Amino acid sequence: KQEVTQIPAALSVPEGENLVLNCSFTDSAIYNLQWFRQDPGKGLTSLLLIQSSQREQTSGRLNASLDKSSGRSTLYIAASQPGDSATYLCAVHSGGYQKVTFGTGTKLQVIP
Amino acid sequence: DAGVIQSPRHEVTEMGQEVTLRCKPISGHNSLFWYRQTMMRGLELLIYFNNNVPIDDSGMPEDRFSAKMPNASFSTLKIQPSEPRDSAVYFCASSLARRQGYGYTFGSGTRLTVV
Repeated sequence: KQEVTQIPAALSVPEGENLVLNCSFTDSAIYNLQWFRQDPGKGLTSLLLIQSSQREQTSGRLNASLDKSSGRSTLYIAASQPGDSATYLCAVHSGGYQKVTFGTGTKLQVIP
Repeated sequence: DAGVIQSPRHEVTEMGQEVTLRCKPISGHNSLFWYRQTMMRGLELLIYFNNNVPIDDSGMPEDRFSAKMPNASFSTLKIQPSEPRDSAVYFCASSLARRQGYGYTFGSGTRLTVV
């Protein structure tokens, strides 16, 4: 059974700081890994999708890396802004029909 | 594309009543997923369909919950009878399942309150 862990559970940083969010998973036989953002009371917005054959993906100030062998992914946010404040969720697609297992999320607060 | 569309956005109902949540997936997507999110348990997969066929419903809490997908563009999640512990946000997501994997797109969710 796939298990996904995100550390830290919460993070508070001053504006402008670079930061890293971590995601670890127990079964390395994955199809892909997806990072989401969830604002309070809202749905999930996809940020980045990394295929199992890739090592990283970039979108603007965001960079996600994947190391399947060690069961880890990181989401790097450069020059953080208050608008980045949200909960970030890691989702691992594995098994038949891409069953997805979510981590419990990291709640990020960027202080102006 | 309008994305994954869920209705209603909010639902308040009395204990014992039937509740039906609706989802329209992205056109062309062949997989549909129902999730429930609570503060205590996070995101839980309830059921998922592939090509309109239920593949895994092991996450459905109990017989009070049922889900259908009569065609590729519509799915329902029904709770009968509803209980206060069913209060949560219910999300629908769709995907195009391929060998190399494909990401999810989520709807905005239905916030259900059972009083």
